[in-house]
Amino acid sequence: QVQLVESGGGVVQPGRSLTLSCAASGFTFDYYAMHWVRQAPGKGLEWLTFISDDGNDKYYADSVQGRFTISRDNSKNTLFLEMSSLKAADTAIYFCARQPESGRTLDYWGQGTLVTVSS
Amino acid sequence: DIQMTQSPSSLSASVGDRVTITCRASQHIRHYLNWYQEKPGKAPKLLIYSASSLQIGVPSRFSGSGYATDFTLTINSLQPEDIATYYCQQSYTIPWTFGQGTKVDMK
Repeated sequence: QVQLVESGGGVVQPGRSLTLSCAASGFTFDYYAMHWVRQAPGKGLEWLTFISDDGNDKYYADSVQGRFTISRDNSKNTLFLEMSSLKAADTAIYFCARQPESGRTLDYWGQGTLVTVSS
Repeated sequence: DIQMTQSPSSLSASVGDRVTITCRASQHIRHYLNWYQEKPGKAPKLLIYSASSLQIGVPSRFSGSGYATDFTLTINSLQPEDIATYYCQQSYTIPWTFGQGTKVDMK
């Protein structure tokens, strides 16, 4: 079955960097575009970034443009989110999610990893 | 960016009730509207895609309708396991944007 497992969250000081990973299994990873979405404590969902199946196309929300970088290693079935210049406002649960081949939606999500930006 | 506005923000209903949640887009998004269910500590779950298509494995008491700017999620005969927060999301254009959520609880 499809599984997405995020890791790499934790407590980080403002201004520092952190890299999240999302390990995919149960499907042919390099057939699918992937996304990151976050949820601040007590808030709604916020779309962050997209990467195409081959990694050549990437898009970002304005809130993270220039600070966050999405990437993938198809040989290892893993998605990454490199986050730099972190702010308190980046404190959230970070989810990776899969976009199906034939649709503009997010059909499977991981359970998320918590990032807390605090001094 | 396209703004998505859900109403109500929260509602209370009884088992067996019909529940309706609406979502309005700030501009025309054709049928590019998805609905998700979120429960605490769990991964969000896709319920409806392309405004009205039921995701595989989702109970048929869930349905979606709408086009352009106005959309509806309906839960026919609310069940205890439907207690959750529901989000609409547009995928017409980047950045994809979500509604603020509708929290459904049991009366």
